[in-house]
This record gives sequence, C-alpha cells and structure tokens, in this order.
Amino acid sequence: EDQVTQSPEALRLQEGESSSLNCSYTVSGLRGLFWYRQDPGKGPEFLFTLYSAGEEKEKERLKATLTKKESFLHITAPKPEDSATYLCAVQPSGGYQKVTFGTGTKLQVIP
Amino acid sequence: DAGVTQSPTHLIKTRGQHVTLRCSPISGHKSVSWYQQVLGQGPQFIFQYYEKEERGRGNFPDRFSARQFPNYSSELNVNALLLGDSALYLCASSGTGFEKLFFGSGTQLSVL
Repeated sequence: EDQVTQSPEALRLQEGESSSLNCSYTVSGLRGLFWYRQDPGKGPEFLFTLYSAGEEKEKERLKATLTKKESFLHITAPKPEDSATYLCAVQPSGGYQKVTFGTGTKLQVIP
Repeated sequence: DAGVTQSPTHLIKTRGQHVTLRCSPISGHKSVSWYQQVLGQGPQFIFQYYEKEERGRGNFPDRFSARQFPNYSSELNVNALLLGDSALYLCASSGTGFEKLFFGSGTQLSVL
C-alpha cells in the first residue's frame, strides 16, 4: 500500500528564516508527487507536481525537489503569509487517480 | 471562472441518519474525486468518477456511495451515520483524471 510520511509535524520559523519540509514516500510506481498548501477551513491548493527523481520546481519563495524516496519543500526567507499546512501526496501509475496524502506539516511564520 | 463548488458548507446530523453532499466541478473537468479529512490528518481517498463511471474506490465501507451526473456534477451519500464519520469532506476535480487536483472548500459534517 502507498505511504507518505511528512516531517516535522509542525514548524515555527521567524520571518526570513529558511527551512525545509520533508516527505518520504513508498509507492508502487510513481506517476507523480504533489505538494499542496492548505489554509484553515479551506481545501488544499495545488503548488507543484514532480514526476521523476532529480526534478526541481520553483514558485516564489518555494522550491520542491524529488529523489527516489523523498521530496523536499524548501522555503526561502518565509513571510507570515506562508503560514499554512503543507501536504505532500503521491499518485501511483495505474488506472485511476487514487492520490495518497501525508498528514502535513503545519508551518507558522512569526513576524 | 468558478472553482469547485460544494454544498452545503456545514451540516449537523445524528447517528443513523443519511446525508447527501454535492459537488460541481470546474467547467470542462470530467473527473471528480471525493476525500475525507479528519482534523489533523491528510485527506483520504474515497471515490473517483470519470465520465459518469466509478474509476476507483478507497477503503471505506459500503455505507459510502457516490455518483456522477451527465453534467459532471457529483453526489456523495453516506448512510447510517456514525460518530466517526464527522470530518471535512472534500471534492476535487481534474480534466482527465490524472493530473493536479482542484479542491473545493469542503463540507464540514458533524455527527452527534
């Protein structure tokens, strides 16, 4: 069965203090690894899709990377508006879109 | 453009009752998926529908059922509600069913 483990569960950063979130996964053939951001009371919002080891994608202060067993979400010089729960998810290769999510990392950025 | 819309936003039911949750996908999207998110956990896959046919089902009991209509909107039905069914129910749509998901804001279900 596909598994996604995220660490840390919670992270508190000072504004401008860079850090990384970890996502370890096991999947029977990876179609794609996704990062989503979720604000309280809302549905997850798509950030990135990574398809193969070595791939990197960037968006503003966020950079996602992928290896065969892990993905990292690097946050450079975060701002308070980056505070949210960040979810990692994997989609196996196969006939349908059963995406398995991790439990998320709750990020708080203090001004 | 309208995003994924879900109704109702909040719902309170008692044990043993039945509930129907509704979802309208983004215009042009043919795939709808349903997820259950318990507080403090990540979303858990319940169903995926594509072109009105069930494509996949997660590890949920038969009390959970869904369907997709010709206009691609979808309903999730839960029978014989249990306290443990209390959660945020999320609907997500995508174009072909294999790429990134667009989520609605969810229906918060409380079972008393």
